[in-house]
Amino acid sequence: DGGITQSPKYLFRKEGQNVTLSCEQNLNHDAMYWYRQDPGQGLRLIYYSQIVNDFQKGDIAEGYSVSREKKESFPLTVTSAQKNPTAFYLCASSPPPGQGTGTEAFFGQGTRLTVV
Amino acid sequence: AQTVTQSQPEMSVQEAETVTLSCTYDTSESNYYLFWYKQPPSRQMILVIRQEAYKQQNATENRFSVNFQKAAKSFSLKISDSQLGDTAMYFCAFLPWGKLQFGAGTQVVVTP
Repeated sequence: DGGITQSPKYLFRKEGQNVTLSCEQNLNHDAMYWYRQDPGQGLRLIYYSQIVNDFQKGDIAEGYSVSREKKESFPLTVTSAQKNPTAFYLCASSPPPGQGTGTEAFFGQGTRLTVV
Repeated sequence: AQTVTQSQPEMSVQEAETVTLSCTYDTSESNYYLFWYKQPPSRQMILVIRQEAYKQQNATENRFSVNFQKAAKSFSLKISDSQLGDTAMYFCAFLPWGKLQFGAGTQVVVTP
């Protein structure tokens, strides 16, 4: 079945460490996104990518990095420069707007990152 | 700058009643998509309804319908015959070319 897989579901990080969150999709979507969600808050855009080997900063990119070496994969690294990384992270993908009536964003199950 | 605005942090509605959630957005583009997503306590994002900007007809999905006013850049969601299972966070989302953006969300609580 097609979908988006995020791993791990729960992640614990010590202060000062970098961690990488995985996001893989087999929907053949061009666009992929990373969002951060804090308790009771909305989804804030960290990075997005419309095509392989290209990505753009979202609204809260500081302390995060991404890569898009393959269409299927868009990993997010939370670096030690991110001062408050404890949050819920969601990955999504979508086809380009205009590709028929099926356009929507599909989401992974999310990763809960906790700094210990 | 905030592109998608949801001005109602929380809405309460009784079972079987109707509730309307507001959403406004800011864009200079003419072609885009608008969505309402539901996020229950499981945190899984569930598509409720989708609207294409070039379609004038308002989208409907069973008990869910939208009022899309393109000139006013408004996209409200109406939930009719509310059910307890509708209790969730509802997010309005805007998708022009490439950048999917969300509002802050509205918590909907359906009471018996």
